[in-house]
Amino acid sequence: AQRVTQPEKLLSVFKGAPVELKCNYSYSGSPELFWYVQYSRQRLQLLLRHISRESIKGFTADLNKGETSFHLKKPFAQEEDSAMYYCALNAGGTSYGKLTFGQGTILTVHP
Amino acid sequence: NAGVTQTPKFRILKIGQSMTLQCTQDMNHNYMYWYRQDPGMGLKLIYYSVGAGITDKGEVPNGYNVSRSTTEDFPLRLELAAPSQTSVYFCASELDGTASGNTIYFGEGSWLTVV
Repeated sequence: AQRVTQPEKLLSVFKGAPVELKCNYSYSGSPELFWYVQYSRQRLQLLLRHISRESIKGFTADLNKGETSFHLKKPFAQEEDSAMYYCALNAGGTSYGKLTFGQGTILTVHP
Repeated sequence: NAGVTQTPKFRILKIGQSMTLQCTQDMNHNYMYWYRQDPGMGLKLIYYSVGAGITDKGEVPNGYNVSRSTTEDFPLRLELAAPSQTSVYFCASELDGTASGNTIYFGEGSWLTVV
């Protein structure tokens, strides 16, 4: 069975500082990894997916199969980045859109 | 488009009562999901549906039932509510199950407390 671990429940940084939210996974196949974000009073929404290799709102995430990690990074954090972030894994194949989520990390960016 | 709409947003139930959480989407999505999120934990899949008339169990289905009589609606029923079902429930939908290419849309969540 697959598993997603986000070791930090809380992460605080100051505006302009680099930020890295950690995500580790265990899965024997080739997973699809995602980062979802939930801003205050908003619904959970997709931030980025590894297959797209994209940068969204300055965030990037690289899938490291050797370390089974998918850490989310941003070089200069902004106050509006404060939110709850979830790393999620899809096993692909007949798993359809079923996702396995990590516990989430609350990011607070201080002015 | 309203997206994914869940009702109610908040509900307090007594042990042993039953209730239905409603979920509807207006995006003509085939795939729909129900997740629950316990405090300090990630979301866990309860049930999912790949189309009208088809449902299947997720990771934590015990104590719940679902139906999918239409493409739009995917209600979640709690029978004989227990304190362990106190949680936040999220409904989600997706066009055709290819998570890598599609976006999964979530509802705002329903806060349920069983006392």
